[in-house]
Amino acid sequence: QQPVQSPQAVILREGEDAVINCSSSKALYSVHWYRQKHGEAPVFLMILLKGGEQKGHEKISASFNEKKQQSSLYLTASQLSYSGTYFCGTEMGSQGNLIFGKGTKLSVKP
Amino acid sequence: EADIYQTPRYLVIGTGKKITLECSQTMGHDKMYWYQQDPGMELHLIHYSYGVNSTEKGDLSSESTVSRIRTEHFPLTLESARPSHTSQYLCASSEYPLSSLTGNTIYFGEGSWLTVV
Repeated sequence: QQPVQSPQAVILREGEDAVINCSSSKALYSVHWYRQKHGEAPVFLMILLKGGEQKGHEKISASFNEKKQQSSLYLTASQLSYSGTYFCGTEMGSQGNLIFGKGTKLSVKP
Repeated sequence: EADIYQTPRYLVIGTGKKITLECSQTMGHDKMYWYQQDPGMELHLIHYSYGVNSTEKGDLSSESTVSRIRTEHFPLTLESARPSHTSQYLCASSEYPLSSLTGNTIYFGEGSWLTVV
């Protein structure tokens, strides 16, 4: 049931773009994206709902393909502050809990 | 932004001791959660609650217990700590349901780092 994230890690130079993917073997009610910096709590970035509505960060976009049960997070013109581990959380089933992927570690270098 | 407070932030304790990690939120959220996260690893749901007097076990089996006597308070207790319990414990809360028309999400506290020696 745990969503699968790819890639596991990515290294960027400032200004470069990145895409992080999240896929599930089960139908999804919603997908939630978080960023966690070392030693800190995860911070909410974006939520994607069935039907295509998005809520979240102005400099980060995401897509949600319900049929493929996949979501992608797009980071454009990356900044040093984008470094951290990105987690997708998928909502499945009637309990309405988030199950998180293993995370994608993003490092942005000057 | 949700306001969730966890205490203590850092705790080093001996094997066999009883510990309680406190969690309080001021947003009036009905649903609360405890996640366990080892350094650099994924988040595992260990407990959740739909409201007062509701507690459920999560996907990862845990020897800890929780209680929900007040809406804003969701403490986690380990009756006899062991080195295998060393980890970070993250409390979170949300409105319910998550995938409502307005789209609710989970907000995390800053975490409690537990080290059992």
